[in-house]
This record gives sequence, C-alpha cells and structure tokens, in this order.
Amino acid sequence: DAGVIQSPRHEVTEMGQEVTLRCKPISGHNSLFWYRQTMMRGLELLIYFNNNVPIDDSGMPEDRFSAKMPNASFSTLKIQPSEPRDSAVYFCASSLSGAKNIQYFGAGTRLSVL
Amino acid sequence: GQSLEQPSEVTAVEGAIVQINCTYQTSGFYGLSWYQQHDGGAPTFLSYNALDGLEETGRFSSFLSRSDSYGYLLLQELQMKDSASYFCAVRALDADKLIFGTGTRLQVFP
Repeated sequence: DAGVIQSPRHEVTEMGQEVTLRCKPISGHNSLFWYRQTMMRGLELLIYFNNNVPIDDSGMPEDRFSAKMPNASFSTLKIQPSEPRDSAVYFCASSLSGAKNIQYFGAGTRLSVL
Repeated sequence: GQSLEQPSEVTAVEGAIVQINCTYQTSGFYGLSWYQQHDGGAPTFLSYNALDGLEETGRFSSFLSRSDSYGYLLLQELQMKDSASYFCAVRALDADKLIFGTGTRLQVFP
C-alpha cells in the first residue's frame, strides 16, 4: 500500500492567493483527518470526515478554510485568501473505523505564505 | 475540556532507558496512543492502551493507569535514531478523533 499521499509537498505563495492541498487516503480507510502543525500550537485537528461526510469542523480556524471529500479516495483543504499566519505543515491522516487509535499520516504539505 | 500534559524535552544516552510521562484530563476515555515524529517527518503510530497495564512492542512499551489518568512510554536500549518527538494522544468524548499532547522531544546522545 502506498500510504496516505499528500500533494504538494511544499507550497510557497503570496498573501491573498488561494491554496489547495490534496490528500489521498489509504484505500479502505473510512475516516480522514486534516491537521495543522506549528511550533506554537502543536498538532491541531482542523476537520475530520467519516465515510466522506464532514463530522467535526470545529477546528477550522475561520471561514477562509474549507475542506471537501467528494469521494472515498480524495480530499482537499482550501485556504482562500491565504495569510502569513497560515504558514504551517498540514497533515492528512486516515484510519479504519475499527481501529481509530491508529491513524496513518501523510508526509505533509509545508505551506509558506509570504 | 480536554488536556494532556507531557514533558517538553528529555535527554538520554545511547543504550539507556527513558520514560516519557503523559497525564490527561478528558470527558470520557477510549484509549491512549503514542506517536513518534522525526524532524521533518510525519507522526507514526507506536503503541496503544485501552486497558490498564503494560503493552510491549519490541524496545518500546506503553503503560496506562486509567484511575490515575496517567500513562507513559518506555524506550529501552536507546539508539540515536530514537531522537524524535513523542506525542501521547487520547480518544475521549468524541471517540472518532484523537487529541494530541504537545509532544516530548527526546535527544539521544552517544
């Protein structure tokens, strides 16, 4: 299995631009999670999906952030417009419903907003 | 609310044993997990405890005491490659998601 695949690995953009991060979960996993990691705030859960349905988006910082999961094998996290404070590493993770303590993380997208 | 506490940093030498503690305050409890993250890498699952006691996986062991809301990760025969950050995480009131601690940075010296 290829694991959780995220793209791009690195993104550098200017303030005000739209950023789209992509994630392909492990085949057969029915839960998908988006996290943000910074030195100051640690690893924060932004939103998660069960069976492609958003369950809890309470961690999404503000309306500039949105996430979709149109099918079981693809999810996006969009920031529009981006701001310098959005600079962070964004991780996508997936898990099986019967093993929710074990999440498999993608390699992450390092976002820099200038 | 829910919170986890773990030391920010631990240092040790190769071949030694180190214990990383984690205390938690949660509404409900469905298990305590441990994850390892090397610099520049992604968190990877190490161990999980749902019930009290010790779980052993090779050089790593994890312990849980639900009555004390406390757990620890024990790393034996330390190697340089064990230098990384270690996170405890709980499944609590919302059993679908994990709440991560702030992480403990372990530095192993030769």
